[in-house]
Amino acid sequence: AQSVTQLGSHVSVSEGALVLLRCNYSSSVPPYLFWYVQYPNQGLQLLLKYTSAATLVKGINGFEAEFKKSETSFHLTKPSAHMSDAAEYFCAVTKNTGNQFYFGTGTSLTVIP
Amino acid sequence: DTGVSQDPRHKITKRGQNVTFRCDPISEHNRLYWYRQTLGQGPEFLTYFQNEAQLEKSRLLSDRFSAERPKGSFSTLEIQRTEQGDSAMYLCASSLRSGGNTEAFFGQGTRLTVV
Repeated sequence: AQSVTQLGSHVSVSEGALVLLRCNYSSSVPPYLFWYVQYPNQGLQLLLKYTSAATLVKGINGFEAEFKKSETSFHLTKPSAHMSDAAEYFCAVTKNTGNQFYFGTGTSLTVIP
Repeated sequence: DTGVSQDPRHKITKRGQNVTFRCDPISEHNRLYWYRQTLGQGPEFLTYFQNEAQLEKSRLLSDRFSAERPKGSFSTLEIQRTEQGDSAMYLCASSLRSGGNTEAFFGQGTRLTVV
């Protein structure tokens, strides 16, 4: 069964500090992994995706994520937090067929000025 | 490309009433998904269409829920005899092609409140 676990439902960082949002996946086959961001009362926007081409994936807005098979992790990072990064972040995994996405419970990021 | 469009954005209904939501995917996207999201949770899969064929349904999709995509373009999600537990954000997404490496593009959602 496909699933993702996001550790930490709430993360607070100071503006300019490193952002680290954790995601671990459970998959019996090499997964396809995604990070989405959701602003209040909005839909989900794709930040980046891992599709086995490279283990370090760069996304929009300065975010990146590294796929580590040995740790079954796909953590999201950003070197310097900006106030506009405050949002809900979701890690997701899908199967080969892409029939459905399995989402984590989300991490709410607060950026402190 | 105008993105995935959902209508209405908000719906308040009385318990027991029927409601219908519409989703217009990105044109030429052959896959369309419906998800439900409750407060503090990630989106949960409800169903998906490949063109006009509904190929998979979640166990969350009780017999009060029905989804259609009659011509492989827009889709509707109907909830009959609404219950307070149906209150949630209903998200629609579409993707261009099959395969796990294809991202889904989400609409802004329809927020349903059952009173």
